[in-house]
Amino acid sequence: GENVEQHPSTLSVQEGDSAVIKCTYSDSASNYFPWYKQELGKRPQLIIDIRSNVGEKKDQRIAVTLNKTAKHFSLHITETQPEDSAVYFCAASINSNYQLIWGAGTKLIIKP
Amino acid sequence: NAGVTQTPKFQVLKTGQSMTLQCAQDMNHNSMYWYRQDPGMGLRLIYYSASEGTTDKGEVPNGYNVSRLNKREFSLRLESAAPSQTSVYFCASSASMNTEAFFGQGTRLTVV
Repeated sequence: GENVEQHPSTLSVQEGDSAVIKCTYSDSASNYFPWYKQELGKRPQLIIDIRSNVGEKKDQRIAVTLNKTAKHFSLHITETQPEDSAVYFCAASINSNYQLIWGAGTKLIIKP
Repeated sequence: NAGVTQTPKFQVLKTGQSMTLQCAQDMNHNSMYWYRQDPGMGLRLIYYSASEGTTDKGEVPNGYNVSRLNKREFSLRLESAAPSQTSVYFCASSASMNTEAFFGQGTRLTVV
């Protein structure tokens, strides 16, 4: 079946440094790739998404890049802050029915 | 606007008992979803309703049933609870498939 792999499972970075989380997907026809942030005990919330007709998208300190040929996409967070500490999930759509398949999540820890 | 509201927040069931999780959204969204979240496994789609009047199976539908009661409400039923169904359940809605999903606060279900 369709699969989304997410790495790393845990990422610890110094406050102010950059963080990069990578995901690979298996369905070459996938066309929608959202990223969600989930703080401890809270609900997931969308932070950025990208569609297959775009290679990169930025929103302030957050950016997502998509490489359709290699079937991978990445989340980049610059100038990390304590409030960036959370679990981040990537997802990719299945073209046949537009369901989302989710990665297992990355726990991002920002060290002061 | 309350967004997505799901009830209850916590529930303990005995093996074999049944229950229904309720979900309602006030954003006039067409699509609604039920996910389960288990440690280290991200979110897995149980069932979804792309639009009022339709429901479809997701990745892990076995042991569950759903009802799209109207455009606002989408319920999830466990007919005979099993310990393997111990999880956190999230309801979500979106304007359409492959657009931003808004999540409810989650239901923590324990089956003993």
